[in-house]
Amino acid sequence: DAGVIQSPRHEVTEMGQEVTLRCKPISGHNSLFWYRQTMMRGLELLIYFNNNVPIDDSGMPEDRFSAKMPNASFSTLKIQPSEPRDSAVYFCASDAGGPYGYTFGSGTRLTVV
Amino acid sequence: KNEVEQSPQNLTAQEGEFITINCSYSVGISALHWLQQHPGGGIVSLFMLSSGKKKHGRLIATINIQEKHSSLHITASHPRDSAVYICAQANFGNEKLTFGTGTRLTIIP
Repeated sequence: DAGVIQSPRHEVTEMGQEVTLRCKPISGHNSLFWYRQTMMRGLELLIYFNNNVPIDDSGMPEDRFSAKMPNASFSTLKIQPSEPRDSAVYFCASDAGGPYGYTFGSGTRLTVV
Repeated sequence: KNEVEQSPQNLTAQEGEFITINCSYSVGISALHWLQQHPGGGIVSLFMLSSGKKKHGRLIATINIQEKHSSLHITASHPRDSAVYICAQANFGNEKLTFGTGTRLTIIP
């Protein structure tokens, strides 16, 4: 398995533009998580899905953020409109619910200028 | 106040030394995770444990449920162990993780 695949690896965009981050979880993993990491706040959960259904989106900062999981093999995190304070590394992780823990993607480094 | 506290925040040691990183949490958990983040940024899950001890190579993780405390040990440390080590708790009924602030470990050759 290629692991959790995120794209793009890096994204630089201008303030006000729409940004879409993508994630392909490991096949068979039924939980998917979106995390954000900044120097100031460390790692924070934004939202997680179980069997493609959003379970907890309490970490989504505001209405500018939205996430979807249309099927078991794909999820998106969208920011519209983007702001400089959204600059961070966004990680996707998936989990099979067993004893082996999470598998993280390589992350998307977002810079909003 | 963060529910998950790690110590030390930074640790520098000589190659070969025995390393201990500590993690304290505030509420009952379903599992405690240890993660490793290398300078390149990638995050690797090292351990998930809910009781006792787990070992993988030179890494050992222990947890004391009564004391709400976990430790990560590295034996015969090596410069390639230099990374940020993060503990995270998962609560009952909820799969999401709450993270500690991380311990930056530097092993000097």
